[in-house]
Amino acid sequence: DAEITQSPRHKITETGRQVTLACHQTWNHNNMFWYRQDLGHGLRLIHYSYGVQDTNKGEVSDGYSVSRSNTEDLPLTLESAASSQTSVYFCASSESGTGGRSAFFGQGTRLTVV
Amino acid sequence: KQEVTQIPAALSVPEGENLVLNCSFTDSAIYNLQWFRQDPGKGLTSLLLIQSSQREQTSGRLNASLDKSSGRSTLYIAASQPGDSATYLCAVRWGGGADGLTFGKGTHLIIQP
Repeated sequence: DAEITQSPRHKITETGRQVTLACHQTWNHNNMFWYRQDLGHGLRLIHYSYGVQDTNKGEVSDGYSVSRSNTEDLPLTLESAASSQTSVYFCASSESGTGGRSAFFGQGTRLTVV
Repeated sequence: KQEVTQIPAALSVPEGENLVLNCSFTDSAIYNLQWFRQDPGKGLTSLLLIQSSQREQTSGRLNASLDKSSGRSTLYIAASQPGDSATYLCAVRWGGGADGLTFGKGTHLIIQP
């Protein structure tokens, strides 16, 4: 079965370090997204991509970057981790096209910045 | 600002009851609306997707309705079971081409055995 996999599931890092969270999907979806989930805020969009070499900023993109070199992967990089970036991060994918398609989510990565 | 609101934030009911979860959104120009379920420590599972041209969708004991003019959607759960206990999230894809979803903060549902 097709799936979307995030790694690691849990990570603790120090303030100022660069961190990369991996996301790999086997749905062959063109659209991929990164969200963060925080108490009191719900899920918020960080970055998204419509295809290879395409990346776009979402609502809360400051301090994050993504790159899309193939269809399957959209790694999320925290350039210099801050305590405010302690959160649960979710990757998602969906088919492209008008009219909308269901989005499929990974299991999440819990990141703690100390 | 385009926002999605879910009421109530938490709900606890006895097993067997029919219940309604509410979602409201601030802009009627939506592409679609999706209901998700999230179990503790887990990812999101898509339950129902309603396109902007549709009024409702059904899957098993779940029925979701959409009223764009009033900016509302409801998720109806029939004959609730303890296994339905989870957080239910409503998410909107707005018109205008943006593909990301705007989420409500969710309704935490507990079904008492």
